[in-house]
Amino acid sequence: DVMMAQTPPSLSVAIGQSVSISCKSSQSLVYSDVKTYLHWLLQTSGRSPKRLIYQVSNLDSGVPDRFSGTGSQKDFTLKISRVEAKDLGIYYCAQTTHFPLTFGSGTKLEIK
Amino acid sequence: EVQLVESGGGLVQPGRSLKLSCVASGFTFNNYWMTWIRQAPGKGLEWVASITNTGGSTYYLDSVKGRFTISRDNAKRTLYLQMNSLRSEDTATYYCTRDQAAYWGQGTLVTVSS
Repeated sequence: DVMMAQTPPSLSVAIGQSVSISCKSSQSLVYSDVKTYLHWLLQTSGRSPKRLIYQVSNLDSGVPDRFSGTGSQKDFTLKISRVEAKDLGIYYCAQTTHFPLTFGSGTKLEIK
Repeated sequence: EVQLVESGGGLVQPGRSLKLSCVASGFTFNNYWMTWIRQAPGKGLEWVASITNTGGSTYYLDSVKGRFTISRDNAKRTLYLQMNSLRSEDTATYYCTRDQAAYWGQGTLVTVSS
């Protein structure tokens, strides 16, 4: 199984600051079609997860460009610039390249 | 607007069965793989099972293989998860999701307890 090591487990940040979350996989996430199926999700309190970024760096519709994703192969990063109060929640990385699909353990973003 | 609406959760005794349903709307259902993902109370996300757009192939988490069956009825735009021989560790909110975790339902809570 592909292990997803996500860090840090929690972050406390002031409004307006920037943060980064790391996700490292135990195997390359490049599929045979040359695409990399690494995604970022946000789960706000009491709600279903919502995908923010797909295939490393593509923003889902309606996601502000304060969010950005970078990385390749086994090493990925989510950056949130100019954090806003509505960004709080738990962020997960997810890989859908290999079965079983696996997730990072989550990063809880709190606002100072 | 894409909508995924799950139903069928509830309280069930260990060893019993339950069948979850997910009705899809807002997209061409038979074009997409579908997946069930679960989340135990206070825990992270765990993939359970996936099915191809035609239903011709299915994939399962090892711990549910032989106990759970994912299926779909494209004419009814509905995804199913038949869960047999339920265990306490199957207690979770079960989410219906579209290909690549693009869209999620609101979830349905399954509690396995005597």
